[in-house]
Amino acid sequence: QKEVEQDPGPLSVPEGAIVSLNCTYSNSAFQYFMWYRQYSRKGPELLMYTYSSGNKEDGRFTAQVDKSSKYISLFIRDSQPSDSATYLCAMSKGDDKIIFGKGTRLHILP
Amino acid sequence: SQTIHQWPATLVQPVGSPLSLECTVEGTSNPNLYWYRQAAGRGLQLLFYSVGIGQISSEVPQNLSASRPQDRQFILSSKKLLLSDSGFYLCAWSRGEAHSPLHFGNGTRLTVT
Repeated sequence: QKEVEQDPGPLSVPEGAIVSLNCTYSNSAFQYFMWYRQYSRKGPELLMYTYSSGNKEDGRFTAQVDKSSKYISLFIRDSQPSDSATYLCAMSKGDDKIIFGKGTRLHILP
Repeated sequence: SQTIHQWPATLVQPVGSPLSLECTVEGTSNPNLYWYRQAAGRGLQLLFYSVGIGQISSEVPQNLSASRPQDRQFILSSKKLLLSDSGFYLCAWSRGEAHSPLHFGNGTRLTVT
């Protein structure tokens, strides 16, 4: 079983819809969870950073962590064409090693 | 604020030629520095990381090496490039704390011909 699993997509949704992106993981020692957005030919950009379980909101973005299910989600409200990108989840145990998912390609259709 | 610079943005090199990619970070001191390679469908592969000047840890044995001659400078090198070295190379930094997130540069797309 891979440490972090993420559906590669592509995921296509109409503009204005709510987007749900997800990752599952196998190591219960993970405590810190991140979401990155990566545009084509650019480096990943940190979107959300959360610790342990619960929700964190930042503008149109909400990160959710369910440690009991080993499942994390990123919700995007009122999606825009500019949200079209690849979204990578990442997590760590609190040491220097961060494990990344392979990313989900998202297309927002105008 | 902190910024990370990585160059060049694109590079085409013949097989057997040397490689030097440079990354510098501004606005912070004693950062942890990382080199990743990103291949389509394979995600991010950690190549090297450094917690201080002259301290390099290699995650994957291969045709590449890394050096950190200054606190905020990280260099990825090869003496002789292989076709399989083609890819998208990303430099990243984090604070020297155990649970700090990574911040990436904009990458170098290397094509070995």
